[in-house]
Amino acid sequence: DTGVSQDPRHKITKRGQNVTFRCDPISEHNRLYWYRQTLGQGPEFLTYFQNEAQLEKSRLLSDRFSAERPKGSFSTLEIQRTEQGDSAMYLCASSTTRDLRWFFGPGTRLTVL
Amino acid sequence: SQELEQSPQSLIVQEGKNLTINCTSSKTLYGLYWYKQKYGEGLIFLMMLQKGGEEKSHEKITAKLDEKKQQSSLHITASQPSHAGIYLCGADTPPGRFGAGTRLTVKP
Repeated sequence: DTGVSQDPRHKITKRGQNVTFRCDPISEHNRLYWYRQTLGQGPEFLTYFQNEAQLEKSRLLSDRFSAERPKGSFSTLEIQRTEQGDSAMYLCASSTTRDLRWFFGPGTRLTVL
Repeated sequence: SQELEQSPQSLIVQEGKNLTINCTSSKTLYGLYWYKQKYGEGLIFLMMLQKGGEEKSHEKITAKLDEKKQQSSLHITASQPSHAGIYLCGADTPPGRFGAGTRLTVKP
């Protein structure tokens, strides 16, 4: 399967711990996006990369959040000192600049206790 | 930045009824995308609209982008329980923005 994959699918952590999520986009896609989604809401944009460059970050992305895409392929999203309010589904999507449709991964569900 | 407003926020219809979901932008849309999300699952691409007045259909779902390119509608004909889910419109200026979604329930 050559779709977008995310790992892990579920993460339960205690408040104050750091967590890291990984996203593997479709191989020829140069754009990669991160979103956060809470129950009943549409995806909230967090950040996006074009190749390895992080071109935009939402104001939602506090200093505790950091995202990287070091080689322009997979990306990681790290949350430091997690808070209960960070509990959400974290979605990753990829696209090309020629065809701007986003292809979404299955998401990582984070629960902060 | 561009904001996408969807209406209604939720919709409950009887199976077999038609329905329309709207997506309004504060700015001109250069690409408008419709996605569907089943509860607890990922987003599935439905349709992309780029030209003013463009209309596309897939099975019983039709989407249209108005001529001024600031509003799109998604119409479902003869709804079925399989149509239930959250419908999201998205745009790419700036990249990767979505509306809050419309939650559709279809009662058998």
